[in-house]
Amino acid sequence: AIQMTQSPSSLSASVGDRVTITCRASQGIRNDLGWYQQKPGKAPKLLIYAASSLQSGVPSRFSGSGSGTDFTLTISSLQPEDFATYYCLQDYSYPQTFGQGTKVEIK
Amino acid sequence: QLQLQESGPGLVKPSETLSLTCTVSGGSISSSSYYWGWIRQPPGEGLEWIGIIFYTGSTYYNPSFQSRVTISVDTSKNQFSLKLTSVTASDTAIYYCARRPYSGGWFDYWGQGTLVTVSS
Repeated sequence: AIQMTQSPSSLSASVGDRVTITCRASQGIRNDLGWYQQKPGKAPKLLIYAASSLQSGVPSRFSGSGSGTDFTLTISSLQPEDFATYYCLQDYSYPQTFGQGTKVEIK
Repeated sequence: QLQLQESGPGLVKPSETLSLTCTVSGGSISSSSYYWGWIRQPPGEGLEWIGIIFYTGSTYYNPSFQSRVTISVDTSKNQFSLKLTSVTASDTAIYYCARRPYSGGWFDYWGQGTLVTVSS
């Protein structure tokens, strides 16, 4: 199975900060990667698919980039509602595998 | 608006079978455009992909579950189901059902999740 390694595992940031989360695949996965946001007690929510495509209804401050093995989720200006845990998920091959998550906390 | 709702026992004894159903409303499970999947999350931990099914019954499973997992579909009821046999405490988790486009691997609609505890 392809291993997905996210970094950092957690970070503290302030409202208005630019935040970057990375996900590295153990082998090349083209652009077959999505990013999800999960708030406590809630189901994950799709933010980005195909590495850089913004899901309908998701604010434009979220963006994704990368291909091959290295991917990035960027929040251009962190808002109070963005404090959550973020996961990447590869869909290049089965079984699909998630990163271990990045918790974004308030500084 | 598409909705998915998980249902099933919240408590299962060790060595028994966990059975959950996902009911889809606001859309047809028989659409050729989507897979339907199960993902789980142990309390306080990350997400784990269990498997997916197409309305024809074609499935893909996570090998980490070996032969314990079965996903099935009932198009007449617009439902799909998960069975996990020989459960242990490590199978305690929130189980989510979700929709996945056929042409892409992302999950765009999710159920709210249901907590299943394995305990005697």
